[in-house]
Amino acid sequence: SQQGEEDPQALSIQEGENATMNCSYKTSINNLQWYRQNSGRGLVHLILIRSNEREKHSGRLRVTLDTSKKSSSLLITASRAADTASYFCATDAVGSSNTGKLIFGQGTTLQVKP
Amino acid sequence: KAGVTQTPRYLIKTRGQQVTLSCSPISGHRSVSWYQQTPGQGLQFLFEYFSETQRNKGNFPGRFSGRQFSNSRSEMNVSTLELGDSALYLCASSSPSGGARGETQYFGPGTRLLVL
Repeated sequence: SQQGEEDPQALSIQEGENATMNCSYKTSINNLQWYRQNSGRGLVHLILIRSNEREKHSGRLRVTLDTSKKSSSLLITASRAADTASYFCATDAVGSSNTGKLIFGQGTTLQVKP
Repeated sequence: KAGVTQTPRYLIKTRGQQVTLSCSPISGHRSVSWYQQTPGQGLQFLFEYFSETQRNKGNFPGRFSGRQFSNSRSEMNVSTLELGDSALYLCASSSPSGGARGETQYFGPGTRLLVL
C-alpha cells in the first residue's frame, strides 16, 4: 500500500510560472525525498529533507516539511518546459523493518507549456 | 561516478516463463533496493539487499526473488510470469552506510518487462 498521497494529480502551467505540489504521508519518517520521472524512465533524485528539517532549497526547488501535519510541499519556481515530468514524494518510515524501503506517493504530473 | 545501470532495458516474455533482471549499483554503494512500477499500483517496494543479505521484503508473492553478489551487483528473478507482472522494474542503490536511517536512493533507468 502506498503511504503518500499527492495533490494535485495533474498540474498544467505556463512557462515562467511557479508550480506547487503537495504530499501527505501516514507514519513517522526518517526523511522525505522528491523524485522526478520523465516519460516512464528512471527516477531522478531532486532533494532529500530530514525529519528534523523544515525547509530546504536546491536551485529553483524549495521543499517544506511539516511533521506535525505529516505533509510536504515541493515548489518549482520559474518553471521551464523541461520541467514537464511526473513528480513523486517518497518516505522511509522509522523502524528497522523499513530498512531500504521507500514508500511512494502516486505522483503529480506536471505539464509546463512553452 | 557512473550511475546505477540496469540490464536489459526492455524485455518481452510469455506467460509461464521466468526472467532475470540485473542491477549494478553506484560504485561503493552496498544497498540495493528493487521496485515495481505499474499504472495501477504505482511504485511498490519489492526487496532490499545489503552485503549479500536480504534485509527487507515487500508484499509480493514468492515468485519474486532476488540476490546480491559480493561486488554489490544484484539480480531479481520472477518465475512463472503472469500478465500482471508487466511493469517497469527499477533498482536503486544507496550510500555505504546501507541506509539504516534512510539515505538518498539513486535509481537506474529501469527494465521494462512486457508479458504476453
